[in-house]
Formats: sequence, structure tokens, C-alpha cells
Amino acid sequence: AQTVTQSQPEMSVQEAETVTLSCTYDTSENNYYLFWYKQPPSRQMILVIRQEAYKQQNATENRFSVNFQKAAKSFSLKISDSQLGDTAMYFCAFMAYNTDKLIFGTGTRLQVFP
Amino acid sequence: DVKVTQSSRYLVKRTGEKVFLECVQDMDHENMFWYRQDPGLGLRLIYFSYDVKMKEKGDIPEGYSVSREKKERFSLILESASTNQTSMYLCASSLSGTGDMNTEAFFGQGTRLTVV
Repeated sequence: AQTVTQSQPEMSVQEAETVTLSCTYDTSENNYYLFWYKQPPSRQMILVIRQEAYKQQNATENRFSVNFQKAAKSFSLKISDSQLGDTAMYFCAFMAYNTDKLIFGTGTRLQVFP
Repeated sequence: DVKVTQSSRYLVKRTGEKVFLECVQDMDHENMFWYRQDPGLGLRLIYFSYDVKMKEKGDIPEGYSVSREKKERFSLILESASTNQTSMYLCASSLSGTGDMNTEAFFGQGTRLTVV
């Protein structure tokens, strides 16, 4: 069975600074996707970034980038130039290729302060 | 704009009541999901449907059932609500199959259910 672990329940960062959220996972699968989802206080969960396991290059989406270490089963999210609107719960998630089901971590609450 | 709509944002029900949580998506997605979100536990999958009338148990199906009579609608049913089912419930949908375009799940705004 796959598991996803987020060891930082809460983080805070000053506006314009950089913050990194950690995620580790455990799986025996070789082909899978990894995701970071954001849930703002309004509660609508949205996809931030995704990574395919076979791609060596780390995914980036504007100010968001990941550090994917497949051998270490680590998938961290870096937010550069943090903005007040980045304040949210962030969930790391895993999906094996042979299933459409997402397995989530416990989440990290990020507070961006002025 | 893609949409997953949950019928209620807040519900208060009494212990023993039968509770229906409704979810509708307008994206013609094959997959629909019900998750439960609790502090410190993240999102846990209750049930999953990959087609009309098809369903699969998730990690915590006990005390719940589901119905999918139409592709766009997925209902979560609490047969006899209990206080330990007080939680946030999230519905999601996605396309079926592998490929980047198919992996993104779209979520509703959630229903906060309180059972008293």
C-alpha cells in the first residue's frame, strides 16, 4: 500500500521570501504521478503542480517548483516570492499509473505574513 | 470553467438520521470520488466510482454508501448518522486513464457536516 507523509503540520513565511514544504512517500510502484494541491481558506482545492515519476526534470509552474528525488522517495514544493494569496493548506498526493485514485498526505498549513 | 458542485456547504443532522450528500460535475468525467477531511488526518477516500452504477470502496467505507445513477451525479449516503461522522466531505471528479490531461482531479467546495 502507498503512503504519503507530510511532517510539517504548519509553516510560516514572510511575503516575498521562499519556503519549502516537505513530502515523502512510500510505494513499490515504478510508474506514478505526484501532486501538490492547495486548499485556500475558501476551501476549493486546486492543483498546483504535478510530476511524472519517469521524468527526471523537476516540474515548475511560475513561482512553484518541486524537488523530486525518486530514489529517496521525496517530493518537496518550493514557493518563491511568497504572496499573501499563497496562504492555504497544501496537500501532497500520490497516484499510481494503474489507478485513478489519489492518496493524500495530512497537509501543511502555510501562513504568509506581510 | 469546470465545476464540481456540492449541494450544501453546511449541514447539521441528528444522530440516527439518514443523510444524503449530493455532488454534480459538468465536465463529463468518468471518475467521481468522495473524501473525508479531518484535521491531522488529511483526505481519506470513502468511495470511488469509475462509471455509472459502478463503485469501489475506498479506505474508510464503513457507515457510508454511494449511488451513481447518472454520469454527472454522485451521492454519498450516511445510512444512520453518528457523531463520529462529523467532518468535512469533499467530492472530486477526474477523467479516466493515464496521461497528464487525465490526472487532474477537480474538487467541490466541500460540505461541513455536523452530527449532533
